[in-house]
Amino acid sequence: GIQVEQSPPDLILQEGANSTLRCNFSDSVNNLQWFHQNPWGQLINLFYIPSGTKQNGRLSATTVATERYSLLYISSSQTTDSGVYFCAVRRSGNTGKLIFGQGTTLQVKP
Amino acid sequence: DGGITQSPKYLFRKEGQNVTLSCEQNLNHDAMYWYRQDPGQGLRLIYYSQIVNDFQKGDIAEGYSVSREKKESFPLTVTSAQKNPTAFYLCASRTPPGGGWVRSGELFFGEGSRLTVL
Repeated sequence: GIQVEQSPPDLILQEGANSTLRCNFSDSVNNLQWFHQNPWGQLINLFYIPSGTKQNGRLSATTVATERYSLLYISSSQTTDSGVYFCAVRRSGNTGKLIFGQGTTLQVKP
Repeated sequence: DGGITQSPKYLFRKEGQNVTLSCEQNLNHDAMYWYRQDPGQGLRLIYYSQIVNDFQKGDIAEGYSVSREKKESFPLTVTSAQKNPTAFYLCASRTPPGGGWVRSGELFFGEGSRLTVL
């Protein structure tokens, strides 16, 4: 099956710093999403981005489908950005299964 | 409000007992999913259903069972055959691809159910 690798596994930032999270995948995909899991376990949708670039406030994401990776940028980080960031993908031609990476745990210190 | 409702949020079970976790959605989505999350780990797919009366095994289906008798409902039963059932269980549904849906193809999650086996 498709492999999804996220890096780095852990990241510690000072408030105000910028960061880049990466998601590599081993096959062509027709669905890619980024999620933020808050300390209570809730998964928040950040981006649905199988290709191209999107921005939402301090967050932006870019997926280069031909090179099989996606990047999530967090600018001017805040303590509320802390938590775990997941990417999830669905292989092209597969109509159902979405597979998650292991996540990047971000801690933003005041 | 439209959304995905999971219940109960917290559940304790004795070894050897079956337990059923509820997942209901009023988003009119065809596809629904169950994932399991262990502490410090990513999400692993248990079962998914793309249409009523049909479902497929995910990567870790052993010891679990599901049904999909109604579009709105996708309950998960954790059976006594599941050797390590203590985990956080997340249900999701997905907007259909194309067809003019806003945020087509996107996955949305409920708030999860935490199961502890005593």
